[in-house]
This record gives sequence, structure tokens and C-alpha cells, in this order.
Amino acid sequence: GNSVTQMEGPVTLSEEAFLTINCTYTATGYPSLFWYVQYPGEGLQLLLKATKADDKGSNKGFEATYRKETTSFHLEKGSVQVSDSAVYFCALGSGNTGKLIFGQGTTLQVKP
Amino acid sequence: DADVTQTPRNRITKTGKRIMLECSQTKGHDRMYWYRQDPGLGLRLIYYSFDVKDINKGEISDGYSVSRQAQAKFSLSLESAIPNQTALYFCATSENGGKTYEQYFGPGTRLTVT
Repeated sequence: GNSVTQMEGPVTLSEEAFLTINCTYTATGYPSLFWYVQYPGEGLQLLLKATKADDKGSNKGFEATYRKETTSFHLEKGSVQVSDSAVYFCALGSGNTGKLIFGQGTTLQVKP
Repeated sequence: DADVTQTPRNRITKTGKRIMLECSQTKGHDRMYWYRQDPGLGLRLIYYSFDVKDINKGEISDGYSVSRQAQAKFSLSLESAIPNQTALYFCATSENGGKTYEQYFGPGTRLTVT
């Protein structure tokens, strides 16, 4: 079945450091891929998405490229801020059910 | 006002009690979902609904039931709560259609079963 695997956290970085959070997936067909972010005490918010191979999603300085050949959708940011501290979820959607399959989440802590 | 609201935001209950979590949305979406979040496990789907008459089990529906009272309202019930149902519960909505759209989440309900 479909699944999503994220790198384990927590990830602790200093402000202005480069961020990569790895995400790989297993799926049949051509899924859509998403990154969601959960700030402390809040629900999940869509951060970015990509719907086909080689698409790059971007938002708020974050980027992720849909790589079908490596079945990956790694999240990157060139210079993190303290306000980026949150839990990040990679997710996969496939078919017409509308269901999303989530990775286990990666906690990012950015220190000043 | 928030597009997806959940009540209550926090609830402590005892083993064996029946409890209902409520979700309302003003986005006009047909699809609604209930998830639970546990540390290290991500979000797991409990139930989902494509419209008022179409309700489906997710991957972890045992011990839960749902009711879709209207397009805008989707409730989750624990008929007899047990401690391992202690978790953060999220409601979400999405557009209807032939593909996967992004989902919009409520703020969550933190449930503790003692």
C-alpha cells in the first residue's frame, strides 16, 4: 500500500542555517505530494504541494521538488528562523478518494 | 472566524464514558475527515465522509463512530472511552472532485482518558 517515510527528529538548528527534511514515499500511480506544518498549539496548515513529477512547490522560503525517480519530496529552506520552529508533515494523496497518508512528522527547533 | 472549528478544545474524561467531539466548517466543502495524532505516528485517519449520505471507515475506526448531521457538521463519538484513545484529534475538510485536494484542518481537540 501507499506510505510515507520522513526523517526522524527532532532537528535542532541555529538561526540562518540550511534546512533539509527528507521525505520518501511508496505509491502506485501518480500521487500528489504535500508538506504541512503544525505550529505549537495549532492545527496543520498546508505549506506547499506538487502534483506531478519535477514540479517544485514553494512557499515562505521553503521548497520541495517532486522526484519520481527517487520517490522523494525533500523539504528545504536556505535560512531558517526561530519562527519556523514547528512540526513538519509530509503527505501523499492518490486517486479520487481525497485521503491523505501522512508521515510521522519531524519536529524542527530553531535556536537564536 | 476560523473556517474549521472544533469543540471542545480540551477534554478530560474517564474510562467507559461516552464522549462526542464536534466539527463545523464554513468552507462549503463536501468532504470531511477525522484524524488522531499520536507522537511518532503522525496522523491516522479514523473516518471520512464525502457527503451527508456517504461515510467511510479509515484505518483506525474501531472504537469510534461518526455522524454527518449536515454538510457543515461532522461529529466523532467514542462510545466507551479507553485510555489508549488519549490523543489529539483533528477534523479536516477538502473540496470534492476526482483528485486529491489539500485539506484544511481545525485547531484540534486534546482528549485525555483517565
